[in-house]
Amino acid sequence: NAGVTQTPKFQVLKTGQSMTLQCAQDMNHEYMSWYRQDPGMGLRLIHYSVGAGITDQGEVPNGYNVSRSTTEDFPLRLLSAAPSQTSVYFCASSRKPGQDEKLFFGSGTQLSVL
Amino acid sequence: KQEVTQIPAALSVPEGENLVLNCSFTDSAIYNLQWFRQDPGKGLTSLLLIQSSQREQTSGRLNASLDKSSGRSTLYIAASQPGDSATYLCAVKRGGGADGLTFGKGTHLIIQP
Repeated sequence: NAGVTQTPKFQVLKTGQSMTLQCAQDMNHEYMSWYRQDPGMGLRLIHYSVGAGITDQGEVPNGYNVSRSTTEDFPLRLLSAAPSQTSVYFCASSRKPGQDEKLFFGSGTQLSVL
Repeated sequence: KQEVTQIPAALSVPEGENLVLNCSFTDSAIYNLQWFRQDPGKGLTSLLLIQSSQREQTSGRLNASLDKSSGRSTLYIAASQPGDSATYLCAVKRGGGADGLTFGKGTHLIIQP
């Protein structure tokens, strides 16, 4: 039972570098989303997707890009990393409304931008 | 804008005690509410989900209640155990779409052996 798999677990970037955080789920969930967790701020939604080819912005989308070419994968791209993007990033998935909508989370990526 | 508040921020109790964690939200027009558990360095695990039409949900020693009109939910943990030590987060969903959850900042719970 893999569930939601995130890679890498840890990453250090220099300001201005770009990178992609990977997320994959094997539960055939329609909904996938990315959150960031910062001390004293709680989790905040970055981007989400309701299915392959469909994405939308969450509360804090600036500086991030997403795509959803398959049901299983939902990568998050940092276009030009900034120190303000130092955070723990979580990918999550769930079924669509009308079904069991519990949210399943990956184990997170701890990102430091120097 | 929806805001979710969890009180207390931290709680330490001896093993075996029953305890209540509180969650309040400012906009009562919610679709559902979830309680999560987060262990250090790990992701979140959904414990209980309450639909807006429901009053409570139970799973083992956990019971979550929802009073939508007053904007409150409680998570009751019976006969606490050291393994219950974790951060517990409450989150509300605004609508039936995929627009994400609004999270509280969590209650850090320590159960003393």
